[in-house]
Amino acid sequence: QVQLQESGPGLVKPSQTLSLTCSASGGSTLSGGHYWSWIRQHPVKGLEWIGHIYYSGTTDYNPSLKSRVTISEDASGRQFSLKLTSVTAADTAVYYCARDGGEIWGRGTMVTVSS
Amino acid sequence: DIQMTQSPSSLPASVGDRVTITCRASQGVANYLAWFQQKPGKAPQSLISAASKLQSGVPSRFSGSGSGTDFTLTITSLQPEDFATYYCQQYYSYPLTFGQGTKLETK
Repeated sequence: QVQLQESGPGLVKPSQTLSLTCSASGGSTLSGGHYWSWIRQHPVKGLEWIGHIYYSGTTDYNPSLKSRVTISEDASGRQFSLKLTSVTAADTAVYYCARDGGEIWGRGTMVTVSS
Repeated sequence: DIQMTQSPSSLPASVGDRVTITCRASQGVANYLAWFQQKPGKAPQSLISAASKLQSGVPSRFSGSGSGTDFTLTITSLQPEDFATYYCQQYYSYPLTFGQGTKLETK
């Protein structure tokens, strides 16, 4: 059973780029026909799907974030990443990586946008 | 975007109760509907996919039903570990969207 773990800075300054990595153990992101997703949870707004990358490399993004988001995977099949540019306080949230729409979740990592 | 509306937002209940949570989609999503359970400080966990398919390891007291725009999650004989927040999610179309959550609380 694949396990996911997010990593990255817990504090990002406004206007900078948020970068997170999700490490997959017990499985590969390059096999099995799965989608590898990023989902965030705002304290008040609730759960928001950011986007995903298919094992073939195809991506889909939430239109509300599309201009600022890039999801990529590395060639090893052990990690995939999230980059969110030009962050503001509204991007403060717990960020989760997940398989498919949420069949399996990482533990989540809190990211605060503040100067 | 498809809007998902859950009711109620809060549900007081007691151990042993049978409870039902409703999720309504702003347009039809066929059976592309999932339910998640989230406990404080933890990631959501998948309970049900395809509206009614129980994930492996999920107790049989959980069940889901519905199709189109109206869905329900039912928990029979509520256990202490079931007090949590529950979310529905549609994965019929992008962007995937979640309901606002239903918090199951001790009465």
